[in-house]
Amino acid sequence: DAKTTQPPSMDCAEGRAANLPCNHSTISGNEYVYWYRQIHSQGPQYIIHGLKNNETNEMASLIITEDRKSSTLILPHATLRDTAVYYCIVRVEVGALNFGKGTSLLVTP
Amino acid sequence: DGGITQSPKYLFRKEGQNVTLSCEQNLNHDAMYWYRQDPGQGLRLIYYSQIVNDFQKGDIAEGYSVSREKKESFPLTVTSAQKNPTAFYLCASSPIPGQFTDTQYFGPGTRLTVL
Repeated sequence: DAKTTQPPSMDCAEGRAANLPCNHSTISGNEYVYWYRQIHSQGPQYIIHGLKNNETNEMASLIITEDRKSSTLILPHATLRDTAVYYCIVRVEVGALNFGKGTSLLVTP
Repeated sequence: DGGITQSPKYLFRKEGQNVTLSCEQNLNHDAMYWYRQDPGQGLRLIYYSQIVNDFQKGDIAEGYSVSREKKESFPLTVTSAQKNPTAFYLCASSPIPGQFTDTQYFGPGTRLTVL
């Protein structure tokens, strides 16, 4: 699986959009971009995934650049409950998800 | 409600004892996974199973054993051979193993402390 690079931490004010970047410059044509988040001491929660088109669901939007070398997860109106570690993962193989250290997002009042 | 159950949430054991962590899912998923997480770190794969009666080692399988006798159950045994077993253990399942869009869903985790 391709490697990803994420900033270690970010802050966001409550009610504002949180934009979490991810670089995956070595991504292959058939690798999907997945986003999970983990609230402290809980299991990771699936957020969204995509291949090359932008995706949106009830939780977030995923914007993938045209060259697919980077992506951004957007939480449109962040709340305090969105404080968590966010993991960007690219995968093509069956089996494990390759979780790195992710981005620790702190949403402040 | 459908989901993944891990029990107990907290587990304490004495050094040298084997301990079995439970993972049950009622999502009718074919694949199940065990991960380990240490403080401030990402998840590392211990074992996974794509079908009943079959499983594969992950990156850190030494000192662990699993069984998959039923589709809905995938227990993990932490043996005395595991050098540093204190960690947060996470179980996951996914519906379509082998597909690029196979999404994994996680249980709440078991925090094991070996005294």
